[in-house]
Amino acid sequence: SQQGEEDPQALSIQEGENATMNCSYKTSINNLQWYRQNSGRGLVHLILIRSNEREKHSGRLRVTLDTSKKSSSLLITASRAADTASYFCATAPSGSARQLTFGSGTQLTVLP
Amino acid sequence: GAVVSQHPSWVICKSGTSVKIECRSLDFQATTMFWYRQFPKQSLMLMATSNEGSKATYEQGVEKDKFLINHASLTLSTLTVTSAHPEDSSFYICSAHKLASTDTQYFGPGTRLTVL
Repeated sequence: SQQGEEDPQALSIQEGENATMNCSYKTSINNLQWYRQNSGRGLVHLILIRSNEREKHSGRLRVTLDTSKKSSSLLITASRAADTASYFCATAPSGSARQLTFGSGTQLTVLP
Repeated sequence: GAVVSQHPSWVICKSGTSVKIECRSLDFQATTMFWYRQFPKQSLMLMATSNEGSKATYEQGVEKDKFLINHASLTLSTLTVTSAHPEDSSFYICSAHKLASTDTQYFGPGTRLTVL
């Protein structure tokens, strides 16, 4: 079964706006990762946040992690049409830093 | 960098045939590789964990006799879909865990399998 649930399932915004996606999970984790997938393509690793971290930045990306609520958010600032893709969170459970369980994904559409 | 390739990128076959998909880590060694399956508009589901030199570990509900995995070297894992049927049509993605690395998996570009 899926570890993570993401919301919204789909998000449509105008170029220049910020996009926020949320991920919830059920069990204790070692780390949480965000990936991007263009239609019919492989996954691109965006950012990893460890269980003892609360916030992380990478360029226009900002990820937060709240282990007490078992949730994470991905914020993309100043979105571009090229950011249109599916975004997935993936968790690596405690005791197994390798095996990933993916969330259901958010389809982001950025309109030019 | 850390590049993972998959071959073929797409394949169409007749029902009942077997299809082999290769996953290679091009510039690093990977003791562990993972195979995922993704149906249209759905997320990735882990099928099995492939360990170099040992038997693969399959997730619940994945038939090991139908999805044969071989991890013969530190840079190559293969997934063979035996006696493929239309319901096996999917996007198969592998990932490789870098030797001596801690967390990051590197994903291949995926293989689109269509069974007629």
